[in-house]
Amino acid sequence: GENVEQHPSTLSVQEGDSAVIKCTYSDSASNYFPWYKQELGKGPQLIIDIRSNVGEKKDQRIAVTLNKTAKHFSLHITETQPEDSAVYFCAASKSAGTYKYIFGTGTRLKVLA
Amino acid sequence: GAVVSQHPSRVICKSGTSVKIECRSLDFQATTMFWYRQFPKQSLMLMATSNEGSKATYEQGVEKDKFLINHASLTLSTLTVASAHPEDSSFYICSARLTPHEQYFGPGTRLTVT
Repeated sequence: GENVEQHPSTLSVQEGDSAVIKCTYSDSASNYFPWYKQELGKGPQLIIDIRSNVGEKKDQRIAVTLNKTAKHFSLHITETQPEDSAVYFCAASKSAGTYKYIFGTGTRLKVLA
Repeated sequence: GAVVSQHPSRVICKSGTSVKIECRSLDFQATTMFWYRQFPKQSLMLMATSNEGSKATYEQGVEKDKFLINHASLTLSTLTVASAHPEDSSFYICSARLTPHEQYFGPGTRLTVT
C-alpha cells in the first residue's frame, strides 16, 4: 500500500547548525508534499509545502527539495534556533479521491542552546 | 487566515459515556474535514473523512458505530465517541481542507476515559 518513510526519527543539533529531514514516498502519483511542525500537546502546523512540478522551495530559514525520480523529498532548516525544537511530519497526497495525506512517522528535532 | 478550532481541548469521562468533539473552520468554508487519532510519540492516523451533507468515509479498521461523524455545515464537523472505554483514550485531531491539497489542523482534543 501507500507508504511514506521518514528519517531520522530523532535529531539533535547545536543552535545555529542546519537540520535535514528526509522522506521517501511509494506512490508515484503523489504530487503534493507538505511539512508540518507539531509542538507538544498541540495540533500540527503547516510550515512549507511543495508540488511535484517544482524541485525546490524556500521560505526564509526553511527549504524543501523534491526528487521525483527517486521519490524523495527533504526539509532543510538553516540557522536552527531553540524554538525550532518540535516534532516534524512529512506527508504526501495525490490528486484523487479526497486528497488524503499519507504521513511519515515523524522526526523529533532538538536544538541545543 | 486558515484557522481551525476544536472543542473541548481536554475531556475526562467515565467508561460507557459518550463524548462529542467539535471541529470548526473559523475563517473559511470546508466541504471536507478529516479526523485523526494520535497515540503518544506516534504519527497521525487517519480515522475518517467527513463530507458536508453526506456520510463520512471511514478508514479500514475504524468502527463507524463507535466513532460517529456529522458534518452538518460548511464550518462544523463533530466526532462522537460512543460508549467510550479506556482504550479510546487518545489525542484526537481534526483538519479542514482549504484547497484540494491543503489541510489546516485544529489544536487537538485530549480524551481520557476512566
